[in-house]
Amino acid sequence: NAGVTQTPKFRVLKTGQSMTLLCAQDMNHEYMYWYRQDPGMGLRLIHYSVGEGTTAKGEVPDGYNVSRLKKQNFLLGLESAAPSQTSVYFCASSPWEGGRYEQYFGPGTRLTVT
Amino acid sequence: EDQVTQSPEALRLQEGESSSLNCSYTVSGLRGLFWYRQDPGKGPEFLFTLYSAGEEKEKERLKATLTKKESFLHITAPKPEDSATYLCAVRGYSSASKIIFGSGTRLSIRP
Repeated sequence: NAGVTQTPKFRVLKTGQSMTLLCAQDMNHEYMYWYRQDPGMGLRLIHYSVGEGTTAKGEVPDGYNVSRLKKQNFLLGLESAAPSQTSVYFCASSPWEGGRYEQYFGPGTRLTVT
Repeated sequence: EDQVTQSPEALRLQEGESSSLNCSYTVSGLRGLFWYRQDPGKGPEFLFTLYSAGEEKEKERLKATLTKKESFLHITAPKPEDSATYLCAVRGYSSASKIIFGSGTRLSIRP
């Protein structure tokens, strides 16, 4: 099992450009999440999904959009990148059943917006 | 509002010097407290889930305990490879599908 994978690993964007980050999981988990991690701020939830075809806003959703067309994939889009979106982005999945709510994280995408 | 506070922010220990990391939480009905390890440049790695006060979990040199207001991650005779940032997170009844993370404790073990 690969677990949770993320592409790309690194990306540099110019202000105003757009991009999509892809997250894939092979554990058949229902729940998936996108976080950003900044120094001194900890992990902050951007958007999440409780199942295929569903999405919901987290703590810091502005400037991001998401889609979950397939159970195993969760996409994070930046329509018009801003320097404030420079961060490390982590995707996570969770079984959310049988009392198991722990999350399994991908390796992260380091995004720089200039 | 659910909150998680971890202390200290950073901890430097000598190899073999045991210590504890603290996670204080405020949550409306705990449905799970989680510990993760994060190495530099990598995603968090799940360690333990604790569900109720008095519960304990162990893994190698790590032992997690839980009370009604806080959790401790005890590290016994640590080795340099235990150096990492340790994150605590909670899920409460009011959090719905969300997990609330603390800012972490950066642990450094000197050989």
